[in-house]
Amino acid sequence: GENVEQHPSTLSVQEGDSAVIKCTYSDSASNYFPWYKQELGKGPQLIIDIRSNVGEKKDQRIAVTLNKTAKHFSLHITETQPEDSAVYFCAATSNTGNQFYFGTGTSLTVIP
Amino acid sequence: DAGITQSPRHKVTETGTPVTLRCHQTENHRYMYWYRQDPGHGLRLIHYSYGVKDTDKGEVSDGYSVSRSKTEDFLLTLESATSSQTSVYFCAISPMGGKGTEAFFGQGTRLTVV
Repeated sequence: GENVEQHPSTLSVQEGDSAVIKCTYSDSASNYFPWYKQELGKGPQLIIDIRSNVGEKKDQRIAVTLNKTAKHFSLHITETQPEDSAVYFCAATSNTGNQFYFGTGTSLTVIP
Repeated sequence: DAGITQSPRHKVTETGTPVTLRCHQTENHRYMYWYRQDPGHGLRLIHYSYGVKDTDKGEVSDGYSVSRSKTEDFLLTLESATSSQTSVYFCAISPMGGKGTEAFFGQGTRLTVV
């Protein structure tokens, strides 16, 4: 099955700086890569996703890049704010499976 | 928020007792999932369902069973609770089980086994 690895496990940045979280996957059939944000005491919520037919997607301060050849994808948050502090999960799925394969999460702290 | 309700939200139970957690959806999505979340392990899949009475095991299914008798309800049962099953449990739903579509998560159930 698919194996998704996520790094780093913890990340601290100063407010206004950028944050980058990286994930790798093993199954070349994976073609949909969602990113989730989990705030304390809540369930994960989708913040951005990317499909394998594009290399980059941007939504305001958040962007995701995908390198299919290297099998890795990254989340980029620019101009970080304290409310960006949360746990972020990457995931991968394919058209042939029924499951979401999640990374182990990154705890992001934005220091005011 | 997607129409997902988990109950109870918090539960404390004793070792050896059976426990059932409920996930109810109003979205009519085909796929439903149960995950557990523990520090350092992220979200681990316990069981999932791809239709009424159709279920399959995830990576950490030992000690758990599930049932889905209606599209809207997916029950997770801990047959004989152990302290290692103390965790936060999340239900998720998806219209297509991935395949280019996202999963929507419930608010979680915090279970403590003493």
